[in-house]
Amino acid sequence: QLQLQESGPGLVKPSETLSLTCTVSGVSISSRSYYWTWIRQPPGKGLEWIGSVYYSGSTYYNPSLKSRVSISVDTSKNQFSLKLSSVTAADTAVYYCARDKGGIDYWGQGTLVTVSS
Amino acid sequence: EIVMTQSPATLSVSPGERATLSCRASQSVSGNLAWYQQKPGQAPRLLIYGASTRATGIPARFSGSGSGTEFTLTISSLQSEDFAVYYCQQYNKWPPGTFGQGTKVEIK
Repeated sequence: QLQLQESGPGLVKPSETLSLTCTVSGVSISSRSYYWTWIRQPPGKGLEWIGSVYYSGSTYYNPSLKSRVSISVDTSKNQFSLKLSSVTAADTAVYYCARDKGGIDYWGQGTLVTVSS
Repeated sequence: EIVMTQSPATLSVSPGERATLSCRASQSVSGNLAWYQQKPGQAPRLLIYGASTRATGIPARFSGSGSGTEFTLTISSLQSEDFAVYYCQQYNKWPPGTFGQGTKVEIK
């Protein structure tokens, strides 16, 4: 059964870099049918699409975050990762990793990342 | 960037009644639209993709319609487990795959 699991620090200081990893089990991340995506949700607010990576390493970012975001894939570990630099309190959110096939059909449980000193 | 606008923000419905949720795109997204359900403390769940195709395991009381810029999610007879927040998302022109702001379906 396909599962996605986010991991990484739950607390990040302002101006530092947020780093999260998503471990995928039950399917190969090298499948050509899917994109692997990060989405976030600030507390009490809606969903924001951050970006996606293809197994080949091609990346696609939300223009509003593009200058600060980097998403990469490690097919040997069946993982993909998110880095968001120069974080502020506005980046406090639940971060989800997900599988995207035109419609996001599998989601991780989400991990809360708080930006605070 | 395509802006997705959902209405109403909150919908009060009695169990067993029909619920109709709307999603409008600022420009055509063809049929490349998905609907999600989110309950408190949970990740969203895919309900509909391709504007009208139910995802695996989704009950038939959920149906989607529309194309271009106007879309509708209908829940034919609300069950207790259907009270949640619903989001639409376009994936016709990405990045980004923009979401609507959500419609909360609450018990009347």
